[in-house]
Amino acid sequence: DSGVTQTPKHLITATGQRVTLRCSPRSGDLSVYWYQQSLDQGLQFLIQYYNGEERAKGNILERFSAQQFPDLHSELNLSSLELGDSALYFCASSGGPSYEQYFGPGTRLTVT
Amino acid sequence: GQQVMQIPQYQHVQEGEDFTTYCNSSTTLSNIQWYKQRPGGHPVFLIQLVKSGEVKKQKRLTFQFGEAKKNSSLHITATQTTDVGTYFCAGVDNNDMRFGAGTRLTVKP
Repeated sequence: DSGVTQTPKHLITATGQRVTLRCSPRSGDLSVYWYQQSLDQGLQFLIQYYNGEERAKGNILERFSAQQFPDLHSELNLSSLELGDSALYFCASSGGPSYEQYFGPGTRLTVT
Repeated sequence: GQQVMQIPQYQHVQEGEDFTTYCNSSTTLSNIQWYKQRPGGHPVFLIQLVKSGEVKKQKRLTFQFGEAKKNSSLHITATQTTDVGTYFCAGVDNNDMRFGAGTRLTVKP
């Protein structure tokens, strides 16, 4: 158990819909990262937050947005969903930008 | 921007054979990290290398960081079926971390 929690574990929704994925980092970790992993693919970095502030952006679509709240949990919002958005979404946390990351179990999103 | 290339993409070995995955960065790194993702699981941190030329061992796994701090390797001696999974390197440059594409290792018993 990495100490990072993600909800929900699975999500099935239709095209055009909007979903919110939630992540609670390890106790004390200030950095939260979001990754997308399509079937048998690598980790695509989406976005990073540090202590509530957006710190880095990767290949995140405009239809996607995220935020980190004062209690340090984070949410990833995906809107106008397309079939190609079906993937595993991981959240990770770390004590700082260059520290090792601890990954949550992921949320598997299926868009039908 | 920083890019991290990892090869090979796939490696299939017979149990007992050795395995190596290589990671190369376009920039000099402050440190490099290695992660393992078992099938159906999430990436798990294995190790971090910081110093030029550093070599670290974890049982049958040997991790190396190049002298120029731009490349790294993970070598597994005498693979076992428990070694299956995808191995990712992650290079850190100016507090920006970028993951390699990973090497998927399969082991035939």
